[in-house]
Amino acid sequence: GESVGLHLPTLSVQEGDNSIINCAYSNSASDYFIWYKQESGKGPQFIIDIRSNMDKRQGQRVTVLLNKTVKHLSLQIAATQPGDSAVYFCAESGANSKLTFGKGITLSVRP
Amino acid sequence: EAQVTQNPRYLITVTGKKLTVTCSQNMNHEYMSWYRQDPGLGLRQIYYSMNVEVTDKGDVPEGYKVSRKEKRNFPLILESPSPNQTSLYFCASSFPWDTQYFGPGTRLTVL
Repeated sequence: GESVGLHLPTLSVQEGDNSIINCAYSNSASDYFIWYKQESGKGPQFIIDIRSNMDKRQGQRVTVLLNKTVKHLSLQIAATQPGDSAVYFCAESGANSKLTFGKGITLSVRP
Repeated sequence: EAQVTQNPRYLITVTGKKLTVTCSQNMNHEYMSWYRQDPGLGLRQIYYSMNVEVTDKGDVPEGYKVSRKEKRNFPLILESPSPNQTSLYFCASSFPWDTQYFGPGTRLTVL
């Protein structure tokens, strides 16, 4: 079946370094991709999104890259801060606004 | 403040005792959805609704019911809860094919 997955379950980075979180998706019909951040005890929080007609989108300290050729999505966080520690999910959306989530990766920021 | 609210936030119940988890959004979103989140399985969609009186099954609908009588509300009903429905539940809403915003979650334990 169609799935969205993440390459690594955990990522540990030094405070101030850049973080890169990768995600592979398998549904070539997906046309909308989102990164969510989930802190302990809270619901997923929108970070940034990108549509399939783009290959890069930048926000505040975050950049999402989309490579449709290899069905790969990445989230780059610049100057990672302790407040960035959380679980990050990629999600893809296709027909009927259905979101398919990856299983999540934990980002841990070392002081 | 734009938000998705869920009630209750925490619930402990016994097998077979019917329960309802409410979800409400104040953003005039057409699309609403329920997810469950389990360790190692990520977020999985239970049911979704494209608009009032329009609902459809997600990936894991067994044992759940929903209704959408009003645009702002999308309750999740467990007619006869079982222990395998112990989970963390999230409601989300959005405009069609747009970013989904999540509620704070309902932690359900079925004994």
